[in-house]
Amino acid sequence: GAVVSQHPSRVICKSGTSVKIECRSLDFQATTMFWYRQFPKQSLMLMATSNEGSKATYEQGVEKDKFLINHASLTLSTLTVTSAHPEDSSFYICSAPTSGRDYEQYFGPGTRLTVT
Amino acid sequence: ILNVEQSPQSLHVQEGDSTNFTCSFPSSNFYALHWYRWETAKSPEALFVMTLNGDEKKKGRISATLNTKEGYSYLYIKGSQPEDSATYLCARGSNQFYFGTGTSLTVIP
Repeated sequence: GAVVSQHPSRVICKSGTSVKIECRSLDFQATTMFWYRQFPKQSLMLMATSNEGSKATYEQGVEKDKFLINHASLTLSTLTVTSAHPEDSSFYICSAPTSGRDYEQYFGPGTRLTVT
Repeated sequence: ILNVEQSPQSLHVQEGDSTNFTCSFPSSNFYALHWYRWETAKSPEALFVMTLNGDEKKKGRISATLNTKEGYSYLYIKGSQPEDSATYLCARGSNQFYFGTGTSLTVIP
C-alpha cells in the first residue's frame, strides 16, 4: 500500500512557542491531505483539509490562525501550531487519499505534541 | 449529526477465540464505511472500504459486513491470534472521515 510519513513522531515544546509537523506522501502524489487530532479517550477528529496550491479549509471550531497549514507540493503538507498552549497537547495525524481507488486513504503514524 | 459509535470499547479474548465488534453510524447521506487496524506507534492500516448495503468483505481471518439501511457494520475475526491485538477503528465518509473511538482488542496467548 501507499506510505505516508510524519515528522516528528513526538515533540515537547514550551507554552508560547510554535511547532511544525510535516506530513509526506512517499510514493504517490496527494493534491489533498487531511489533518486530524485525537484527545485522550476521544475519536480522531477532522481539523482541516489541506489543498495543494490553495488555502486550507478548516472545520468549525478550529482556529485557522492558530493551526497554519501549508501544502506547498504534491507530496508535503505542514501543520504549524502557533503560540502553543497546554490545551493544544494532543495527537495529530494526517491522511492522504490515493487517486484511482475509491475512498481509500493512507495515514501517517501521527505526532504526539506535549506543550508544557 | 455524523456520530460514529463503536462497541465494545475494549475486549480481551483467548488465542483461538473468534470475536466481533460493532460500528454504528447515521444511515443518511452515506458514502462509504472504512475499517482500520491501528497498532501503537504505527500508521492505521486500511482493512476494508465498503460502500454498498449488504457488502461483505474478507481478508484472511478478518471479515466485515455492512448494513447501510440500519446504519451498522460488523467486523469479525476468526481464530484470534496475539498479533491481532490492536485498536480497530471504523470511519464513515468519502474524503473527510468521521471516526468512532475504536475497539481495543487484546488477544491473550
